[in-house]
Amino acid sequence: AAGVIQSPRHLIKEKRETATLKCYPIPRHDTVYWYQQGPGQDPQFLISFYEKMQSDKGSIPDRFSAQQFSDYHSELNMSSLELGDSALYFCASSFKQGSGSGYTFGSGTRLTVV
Amino acid sequence: AQSVTQPDIHITVSEGASLELRCNYSYGATPYLFWYVQSPGQGLQLLLKYFSGDTLVQGIKGFEAEFKRSQSSFNLRKPSVHWSDAAEYFCAVVQGAQKLVFGQGTRLTINP
Repeated sequence: AAGVIQSPRHLIKEKRETATLKCYPIPRHDTVYWYQQGPGQDPQFLISFYEKMQSDKGSIPDRFSAQQFSDYHSELNMSSLELGDSALYFCASSFKQGSGSGYTFGSGTRLTVV
Repeated sequence: AQSVTQPDIHITVSEGASLELRCNYSYGATPYLFWYVQSPGQGLQLLLKYFSGDTLVQGIKGFEAEFKRSQSSFNLRKPSVHWSDAAEYFCAVVQGAQKLVFGQGTRLTINP
């Protein structure tokens, strides 16, 4: 069965650079969520999109932005990277905004800022 | 807002022993609850979920969880653990109608 695809799997950037993370949800899933997981931490919600509109916002820095495209894939754009942005970034998708259909997570993108 | 608490940061059990990981939720109505497992550097794998109905939920890899409203708990159990079960376990709840909110996680170590 198709899963949530995230790319790239690993990314190394220098401070003050920009990064773009991509997420391709399961076909027919209309909602995408982004999470950030620092070392030894639980995943923290960043932002979500439902039908290409932002549906909720968590602890996402102003340096980050995201959008969902017409094919439902989503991109997380991160600018002016800081060392503290080093983390695992997960994308999850669901159908109808987590109404009970469950969530599926991608394998994550590991971002290392040096 | 809905939240979950995992009281145990780290648990060590012997291989073949039984396991129970605790999760307490705070929510007035019936919550949507999940258990995920994460191996080091890996993604989150869904073990099981509870939305309604039968309070004993069966999951993958021999895990089960029981929803107890009277105790506001959703504890994860396994009758006999295997060395491959060593991982981080996260309990999660749906907050609002949308996002998942995770507990702090419990790291499981298996002694041979």
